[in-house]
Amino acid sequence: DGGITQSPKYLFRKEGQNVTLSCEQNLNHDAMYWYRQDPGQGLRLIYYSQIVNDFQKGDIAEGYSVSREKKESFPLTVTSAQKNPTAFYLCASQSVGGTGANVLTFGAGSRLTVL
Amino acid sequence: AQSVSQHNHHVILSEAASLELGCNYSYGGTVNLFWYVQYPGQHLQLLLKYFSGDPLVKGIKGFEAEFIKSKFSFNLRKPSVQWSDTAEYFCAVIFSGGYQKVTFGIGTKLQVIP
Repeated sequence: DGGITQSPKYLFRKEGQNVTLSCEQNLNHDAMYWYRQDPGQGLRLIYYSQIVNDFQKGDIAEGYSVSREKKESFPLTVTSAQKNPTAFYLCASQSVGGTGANVLTFGAGSRLTVL
Repeated sequence: AQSVSQHNHHVILSEAASLELGCNYSYGGTVNLFWYVQYPGQHLQLLLKYFSGDPLVKGIKGFEAEFIKSKFSFNLRKPSVQWSDTAEYFCAVIFSGGYQKVTFGIGTKLQVIP
């Protein structure tokens, strides 16, 4: 089945540690996104990538980093510089052509808790 | 700045009541409009979308939305809600000139009481 796989589903981290969240898609979509979901704040865009080896900052990129070395993979690193990292992180992919163009397909999410 | 506003943050309805959730955006150019839904414990998924053409669009599970360009609005409606419609609903917009970047509203939690 085609879809997006995020791992881990739950992650606990001590303050001062970096952590990397995985996002893999087998939909052959060109674009991929990372959002952060907090209660009462909706989905806020962290980073997005339209093509391999290229990505842009979203609205809340500070304290995060990404890479896009392969079309199917878009890992997110939450660094120790992120002041409030406890959140639910959602990865999505998007086709930029065809009948499903511009529609986001989401993964199940990763819940990060900083202790 | 381009933004998306959802006015109702938490809505409680009885079954069979009618639903209308508001969504407005701030931008005078071309937009692509979406409503996504997140049922408890499930992935976010597309409810309906509008790109062009008939401004009244129909989605899954009896939902519809109307694009009113003059009001910069894309309100979601359902004539008669069911308990299974309990979920969080997000309005989302692609603003032209921003690649395909999708901007979301803060969401509306709908609780339907049997």
